[in-house]
Amino acid sequence: GAVVSQHPSRVICKSGTSVKIECRSLDFQATTMFWYRQFPKKSLMLMATSNEGSKATYEQGVEKDKFLINHASLTLSTLTVTSAHPEDSSFYICSARDPYRQETQYFGPGTRLLVL
Amino acid sequence: GENVEQHPSTLSVQEGDSAVIKCTYSDSASNYFPWYKQELGKGPQLIIDIRSNVGEKKDQRIAVTLNKTAKHFSLHITETQPEDSAVYFCAAHNQAGTALIFGKGTTLSVSS
Repeated sequence: GAVVSQHPSRVICKSGTSVKIECRSLDFQATTMFWYRQFPKKSLMLMATSNEGSKATYEQGVEKDKFLINHASLTLSTLTVTSAHPEDSSFYICSARDPYRQETQYFGPGTRLLVL
Repeated sequence: GENVEQHPSTLSVQEGDSAVIKCTYSDSASNYFPWYKQELGKGPQLIIDIRSNVGEKKDQRIAVTLNKTAKHFSLHITETQPEDSAVYFCAAHNQAGTALIFGKGTTLSVSS
């Protein structure tokens, strides 16, 4: 299947700082990427849909000013957690939609965020 | 919106046995149903998917069946191996036809 990468794989930061997570589709151009959040032993919860060249669409309850999403190119989407707090600690996973198989999504390896 | 229910939440089998995980969905307009395998600390990996125009799909030891009338689909793993141990998620397309809605996951443990 297609390859999606994320960077960093894990990050520890102090409360109040901002953290940027990158998501890249390595072998296809993704006009649409998705950001999910996953708590331990829980399912994936969709945070937002990122469309190249336009504003992201956020799910209900997700603060757009706290979770900034930028999709500046067809292979890169970034999620910035602004003014992070301990409750933002979680596993953040992105996925990219294969343009040749419209419904199929390939996931990145995830980023473990720990806010102290 | 779309709601996906997944059962069981945990499943323990002996190596060589079969494992079946079932999911139901609420939106009759959903037309795409993937299954993902997630190992600890990693992202989900697509293992098989099915579209609403077929009732069954098989890939080696893995098969998926779909009953559109009843709005449920199932994952079947035969001849299970210890490396099949992981969390399995079913998903369905939501009403917007873009994002996936996931079930709560099934933790499969295969003991040798």
